[in-house]
Amino acid sequence: AQSVAQPEDQVNVAEGNPLTVKCTYSVSGNPYLFWYVQYPNRGLQFLLKYITGDNLVKGSYGFEAEFNKSQTSFHLKKPSALVSDSALYFCAVRERTSNTGKLIFGQGTTLQVKP
Amino acid sequence: GAVVSQHPSWVICKSGTSVKIECRSLDFQATTMFWYRQFPKQSLMLMATSNEGSKATYEQGVEKDKFLINHASLTLSTLTVTSAHPEDSSFYICSAIRGQSRNEKLFFGSGTQLSVL
Repeated sequence: AQSVAQPEDQVNVAEGNPLTVKCTYSVSGNPYLFWYVQYPNRGLQFLLKYITGDNLVKGSYGFEAEFNKSQTSFHLKKPSALVSDSALYFCAVRERTSNTGKLIFGQGTTLQVKP
Repeated sequence: GAVVSQHPSWVICKSGTSVKIECRSLDFQATTMFWYRQFPKQSLMLMATSNEGSKATYEQGVEKDKFLINHASLTLSTLTVTSAHPEDSSFYICSAIRGQSRNEKLFFGSGTQLSVL
């Protein structure tokens, strides 16, 4: 079965420290990979996506993600966390061959950045 | 940037009544929209795929007669929760696809918090 796993329910980091939010997937073929962020009582905001090419993808707000095909992972990273980065983060994948545009979401990881 | 507007942002209703939620793509046409349900601190559960001019495709376990979806135009999809009950209380989010293939991008509405008393 196709799935996306975010193994950590919550990640705590101090402001200014680097952060990593983990994501692994089990999807056939070479999927498109996404990261979204959700603030309380809001919809999701797009951060970045991987289609092809360079394994390191740069996105919004200083975030980046590294695609690792052998480990089927797409971890989200940021060199220096801000308190305002505190939010709920979702990893998502979409089958490259899909014509429906349907995304499969991970369960989400709450990022807490403390001053 | 592309904007998806979802309305209302919150609604409180009595048990047994019906509630309609609108999802509009404001500056692009969307042949495909999605409806999700989200419980507190949990992931988004895809309820259905809304296709302009045709019937929605529901995910397994989602009652199509309970959650009516209408996608009558390229910029509007509606979700009607019929005969709502307290267990239908949840955060509902829509999304719309802009573009195709590699240029395809998904934009989300701001969500609707439904509370059924």
